[in-house]
Amino acid sequence: DAGVTQSPTHLIKTRGQHVTLRCSPISGHKSVSWYQQVLGQGPQFIFQYYEKEERGRGNFPDRFSARQFPNYSSELNVNALLLGDSALYLCASSSIVGQGSEQYFGPGTRLTVT
Amino acid sequence: ILNVEQSPQSLHVQEGDSTNFTCSFPSSNFYALHWYRWETAKSPEALFVMTLNGDEKKKGRISATLNTKEGYSYLYIKGSQPEDSATYLCALKVNTDKLIFGTGTRLQVFP
Repeated sequence: DAGVTQSPTHLIKTRGQHVTLRCSPISGHKSVSWYQQVLGQGPQFIFQYYEKEERGRGNFPDRFSARQFPNYSSELNVNALLLGDSALYLCASSSIVGQGSEQYFGPGTRLTVT
Repeated sequence: ILNVEQSPQSLHVQEGDSTNFTCSFPSSNFYALHWYRWETAKSPEALFVMTLNGDEKKKGRISATLNTKEGYSYLYIKGSQPEDSATYLCALKVNTDKLIFGTGTRLQVFP
């Protein structure tokens, strides 16, 4: 079984540009979450989507947006990139939403903003 | 702002040593606790999801305990092997929506 996949693996953008990151969840998983990991810190929650609806949003500016498609894949969009947006962006999927649900992570997209 | 703390920040042990790490969290916000193992250039690997006070879970040589009343969880590795070298992350689930991660414990096991 394929795990969570993310594309692209690496990306270099310039300040002010826009970026779209993609995530395909494990087959059958309806929930997708996005996290940002800056070097030296733990991953920080950005968004969760379940059944194409936003269920949660972390403390990130409106430049960050996301959506989930009918096939449960998801995109994370970041506008007006800043140097501080350089990070590893992780996507996680889960089959259910609840106390005991496990989240399975993809390998991440490494974004560098110059 | 909720804070999840892990200690130590890093650990170097010899092959065969047993080791343990600590994850501390605000007990009033507990919903579930997750442990992950993260090797460089790979995806974080789910180890345990713990939901009940007093939970003990085991996977091979790795085990974890949970105390929700005092707000901590321990991860134990028995007889560490070089392949156990990784960063071990704990994450507090405060509702169905998000995980709050600690900064991790980086374990290096020397042959």
